[in-house]
Amino acid sequence: KNQVEQSPQSLIILEGKNCTLQCNYTVSPFSNLRWYKQDTGRGPVSLTIMTFSENTKSNGRYTATLDADTKQSSLHITASQLSDSASYICVVSAKDTGFQKLVFGTGTRLLVSP
Amino acid sequence: DTAVSQTPKYLVTQMGNDKSIKCEQNLGHDTMYWYKQDSKKFLKIMFSYNNKELIINETVPNRFSPKSPDKAHLNLHINSLELGDSAVYFCACAASGSETYNEQFFGPGTRLTVL
Repeated sequence: KNQVEQSPQSLIILEGKNCTLQCNYTVSPFSNLRWYKQDTGRGPVSLTIMTFSENTKSNGRYTATLDADTKQSSLHITASQLSDSASYICVVSAKDTGFQKLVFGTGTRLLVSP
Repeated sequence: DTAVSQTPKYLVTQMGNDKSIKCEQNLGHDTMYWYKQDSKKFLKIMFSYNNKELIINETVPNRFSPKSPDKAHLNLHINSLELGDSAVYFCACAASGSETYNEQFFGPGTRLTVL
C-alpha cells in the first residue's frame, strides 16, 4: 500500500533556530518526492521536487534530502522565521500509466515562536 | 493574477442539498485535480482531468460529479450532501508532458460545512 508518513506531527521552535522534518514512504513505482508548505487557510505551495537521482535540493533556507534506498526524506529549515509557521507536507509521486499520482503525508505542523 | 481560483471560499449548507464549487486556472495547464482535505489535514485526491477527460477517479461516491467545460475549468458538483462531506476542497492544475516535474499549483480551497 502506498503510504507517506511524517514526523513529528507538530513542532515548536524559537525564531532563528534550525529544525528538521522527516518523511518515510512506501510508494511504488517511485517517480519523485515533493515538499509543500501550507499556510493556514491556503492551498499547498511547492518548495522542492526531487527525482530518484537527486540527493539534495535547496530553496532558500529550505533544504530537502532524499535517500531513495531507505525511502526517507528530510526537510531542513535554517534560521527559522515567524513566517515559516505552517504545515509542511511530504508528497511522493507514483507513476501510473503515464500520469503521476500523488500520495500525501499527513504533514508536520510547525510553529515558530518569537 | 491568481493562477488557480476557486469559488466560493466558504460554503455552508444543509444536509441533502446540492451544491457546486467552481475552479478556474489561467496557467494554460492541461491537467486539473480536485482534492479533499479532512479535519486531520490529510489531502486526498478525488479526481483528475486531462484535456477535459477524466483520468483518475479515486472511488469517490457518485454523488460527486466533476465537470470540465473547457481546459481552464473543472467544477465539482455534489448531490445530496452528507455530514461527512464537510471538508476543505482544493483544486489544482499541472502541465502535462513533463513526467518528472509536473508541479501542481493549488487553489486557495473551499471550506464546505454541511449542517
